[in-house]
Order: sequence, then structure tokens, then C-alpha cells
Amino acid sequence: DAGVTQSPTHLIKTRGQQVTLRCSPKSGHDTVSWYQQALGQGPQFIFQYYEEEERQRGNFPDRFSGHQFPNYSSELNVNALLLGDSALYLCASSYTGRAYEQYFGPGTRLTVT
Amino acid sequence: TQLLEQSPQFLSIQEGENLTVYCNSSSVFSSLQWYRQEPGEGPVLLVTVVTGGEVKKLKRLTFQFGDARKDSSLHITAAQPGDTGLYLCAGGFTGTASKLTFGTGTRLQVTL
Repeated sequence: DAGVTQSPTHLIKTRGQQVTLRCSPKSGHDTVSWYQQALGQGPQFIFQYYEEEERQRGNFPDRFSGHQFPNYSSELNVNALLLGDSALYLCASSYTGRAYEQYFGPGTRLTVT
Repeated sequence: TQLLEQSPQFLSIQEGENLTVYCNSSSVFSSLQWYRQEPGEGPVLLVTVVTGGEVKKLKRLTFQFGDARKDSSLHITAAQPGDTGLYLCAGGFTGTASKLTFGTGTRLQVTL
């Protein structure tokens, strides 16, 4: 049973560029949440997708956007990258009946230079 | 804005010792999760608690959820080097149950 997968593993971008990160949820899960984890801190909630719609959003600017596909996989897009966007981006999947019980992928390490 | 406080922030102990990590909030949790995270990897779910007063055990780890659902503790008996890692509590609150708020974590190091 495959767990949550994310790609790519690492990414280096320049300020002002755009980036797309991808996530495939655990088998049987229909809800995907995205988190940003800066070094030395706990993950911060970005947004959550269910039935291809954004269901909840944290305190992140509109530069952060997402999408969920019919097969429940998801993308996180970040436009106009800032140095402060450098972080580990984590995807978590869950089943809507217990959406609080989230299983995380290995993350994508984004470095903005 | 709900805040989670974890204590202690750092813990360095020897193999065989016992330890307890705490997680507190001023708001009532609708659910609470404990995770363990290794450097550069995603958090691994250890347990979910939802009922006040609930106690769950996972081998040498014992998790307690406070009666008022505002606090939780993680107790490790006879710690081993393999327990080394960052322990994170994460809570959902009424109305935003699946929007997890994380604590800053407790970094545990267990030495031989």
C-alpha cells in the first residue's frame, strides 16, 4: 500500500520565478492538505482540497494556489517566489470522514536564491 | 488564532530513561495528533486522540488526552536511541477540525 508521494524531492528556484509541486495521496484518501515548514518550526497550514475545491485556507497570500484532480492528486503552485518561501513543503492526505487524521508525504525541499 | 505550546523544547537523555513531553492550548481541541519527524522527512503519525481523558499506548509510548481536551502528554518508557527525533503535537479545533495547528516541537536525543 503506497503512502503519500511527493515530487520533486528538491528544487532550487530564483526569486520571481514560479514553482509547481505535486502530491499523490495515500490509497483510499480523498482529501489533500498542504503545509509549509520553515527550518526549526512546526508545519503551517496552507490550504486543503476536497472534491477538487479548496475547502479551507490558512494565512498565506494569493501567490499560493492549488488544484486537485479527479484522481485526488494535487498540485501546489507558488508565483513570484520570495527568499522567504524557502522551506519544506509537505502534503498530507486523509479520508474526509476523519479529515483531521492526516498522513504526510516526505516533502519537497524548495530553496529560493 | 489558536496556539499550541510544547514543552520542553529540547531533551537529551540516556538510553533507558523515562521522559514526558507536554502539549497545551488555551482552546479546546476537537482532535489531537502526535507525530515524530526525522530531519528532512515528513512527520509520521503516531496517534490520534479525540475523547477527553483518553489514554492510548503504542509499545513504550503512552499518550494521554486531558479531560478538558486542552492538553495532552506523551510519555516514553525506557527510551532507546531509535526514539531520537522531533516530536510534534497537532490539533484541530471546532469549526476547523482538519486545519491542523502544530506546536513548535520537542527535539529528543537519546544517547547510549
